Amino acid sequence: AQTVTQSQPEMSVQEAETVTLSCTYDTSESDYYLFWYKQPPSRQMILVIRQEAYKQQNATENRFSVNFQKAAKSFSLKISDSQLGDAAMYFCAYRSALGNDMRFGAGTRLTVKP
Amino acid sequence: DTAVSQTPKYLVTQMGNDKSIKCEQNLGHDTMYWYKQDSKKFLKIMFSYNNKELIINETVPNRFSPKSPDKAHLNLHINSLELGDSAVYFCASSQTNRAGNTIYFGEGSWLTVV
Repeated sequence: AQTVTQSQPEMSVQEAETVTLSCTYDTSESDYYLFWYKQPPSRQMILVIRQEAYKQQNATENRFSVNFQKAAKSFSLKISDSQLGDAAMYFCAYRSALGNDMRFGAGTRLTVKP
Repeated sequence: DTAVSQTPKYLVTQMGNDKSIKCEQNLGHDTMYWYKQDSKKFLKIMFSYNNKELIINETVPNRFSPKSPDKAHLNLHINSLELGDSAVYFCASSQTNRAGNTIYFGEGSWLTVV
């Protein structure tokens, strides 16, 4: 079974600065998708960014970008120009191209300091 | 206009009671899920239905019974509630082979068993 590991239970960043959240995963498959979800205190799960494993180019969504290293099975999230509203739990997730569910990491709690 | 909606959002009930959480998606997706998020924020899949057919049934007590009357609905019924059932339950949906099979979540249902 695929596993997703987020080694940083908590991170903090100063407003307007950049922070990187780490994620590694374990799989024997070659075709899969990786995701970062944000969960603010409201508990809503919000999709931040998605990466297809067959694409070499790193996904980018405004201030959010990923560093996808397929050989190393690493998928980190970079948040640039951090804002107070970025404070939340961030979950890394893996989904097989053939599978029917999504496996989540344990989450990283991000604090943004004004 | 909520894409995945679940009711109720908050539920406080006594041990031993039976309760249901309803879920509806208006995205036209063919797959629906129930996830459980415990007090440590760990997200774990419980069930998955594709076109009304059960395709994932993780190790969940048989007190939990999902029901999918049609593709747009997946309800969760829980019998004989226990203290350990207290959690946030997320309904979600996705469309096979579209957008990386991205899973879209409802807002969650906070269940507290006293």
